[in-house]
Amino acid sequence: DAGVIQSPRHEVTEMGQEVTLRCKPISGHNSLFWYRQTMMRGLELLIYFNNNVPIDDSGMPEDRFSAKMPNASFSTLKIQPSEPRDSAVYFCASSLGGKETQYFGPGTRLLVL
Amino acid sequence: GENVEQHPSTLSVQEGDSAVIKCTYSDSASNYFPWYKQELGKGPQLIIDIRSNVGEKKDQRIAVTLNKTAKHFSLHITETQPEDSAVYFCAAEGGKLIFGQGTELSVKP
Repeated sequence: DAGVIQSPRHEVTEMGQEVTLRCKPISGHNSLFWYRQTMMRGLELLIYFNNNVPIDDSGMPEDRFSAKMPNASFSTLKIQPSEPRDSAVYFCASSLGGKETQYFGPGTRLLVL
Repeated sequence: GENVEQHPSTLSVQEGDSAVIKCTYSDSASNYFPWYKQELGKGPQLIIDIRSNVGEKKDQRIAVTLNKTAKHFSLHITETQPEDSAVYFCAAEGGKLIFGQGTELSVKP
């Protein structure tokens, strides 16, 4: 099993630029989660999809953040425009159901200059 | 909403000793409590979990205990090894997974 795949692993961009993070969940999993990890705030849930439908996006910081899941094997998290305070590690996780074990990807380390 | 407090934030033990990390939660409706280990540069990896219908679960050197009345749960690692050094996160789920702030465990050889 390949596990959750995220790309890119590292991203450095300038303030104001658009950033797109990508995630491929484990095959057969129907729930997908996007998290952000920072030293100050720890691990925060940004948004959660079930069967490709957004269920809870209450953790999305503001309108600059958007997430999509066009099919069961692909999701994107987009930040437009990016700001230095968005610098963090972004994790994608997937599970067989919303309340089942979540398996995390390796993360994307984002640095906004 | 759910709030999870984790202690201590750092823990240093000698190889072979035991390590205990404790978490409390606020939402009595929470019924799933996983523990994750995160190594440097990697994503969190599940090491053990427990559901509210049991009080204790063990997997080799790792055990988790749950006290639903007091709303706290703990991770116990026995016979620690240097490769156990990592950041450990507890979490509680009542509707979504809420993580503790993490414990940085250092096992000195």
